Amino acid sequence: EDQVTQSPEALRLQEGESSSLNCSYTVSGLRGLFWYRQDPGKGPEFLFTLYSAGEEKEKERLKATLTKKESFLHITAPKPEDSATYLCAVQASGREYGNKLVFGAGTILRVKS
Amino acid sequence: DTEVTQTPKHLVMGMTNKKSLKCEQHMGHRAMYWYKQKAKKPPELMFVYSYEKLSINESVPSRFSPECPNSSLLNLHLHALQPEDSALYLCASSPRGLAGTDTQYFGPGTRLTVL
Repeated sequence: EDQVTQSPEALRLQEGESSSLNCSYTVSGLRGLFWYRQDPGKGPEFLFTLYSAGEEKEKERLKATLTKKESFLHITAPKPEDSATYLCAVQASGREYGNKLVFGAGTILRVKS
Repeated sequence: DTEVTQTPKHLVMGMTNKKSLKCEQHMGHRAMYWYKQKAKKPPELMFVYSYEKLSINESVPSRFSPECPNSSLLNLHLHALQPEDSALYLCASSPRGLAGTDTQYFGPGTRLTVL
């Protein structure tokens, strides 16, 4: 069974204190790994898609990396506005249809000024 | 532009009411989705339309009835809901149909409260 596990469940940072969020996955053939950001009461906002091990993508203070078993979302010098829940999801080739998203439980990030 | 719009933003309904949620995208996406999200949980897939045809129903109770009138519009008709159906209802769309790896873009959601 495809599984996605995110850690930590919650993370508190001081403004400017860099850190990383982890997403480990067990799937039967990874097609794509997705990172989303979700603010309370809002829909998930797409951040990155990663397709193969070794791939990296960056956007402002965020950088996503992918290995064969996990992905990291690195946050450099975070600001309070980076506070949100970060969701990781995968699409796996073993599914009955290709693009079903299997979500992790999310990491709640709080950045204090 | 990767915008998916949803109306209304908030909805309060009684258990005997009939209401509808609406979702629109004008990006030419061929797949559209309904998700349900409870507090502090990730989104749960409910339905998938691919090329305007219902392709996936994740064993959703019949009190939820989806409809795809055209390639840009997706509705979710609600009838005889229960208080436990209160949640954030999310619509998403993706460029291709079900076959390929595809990024899904979510709308802002409708916050539904069932009294």
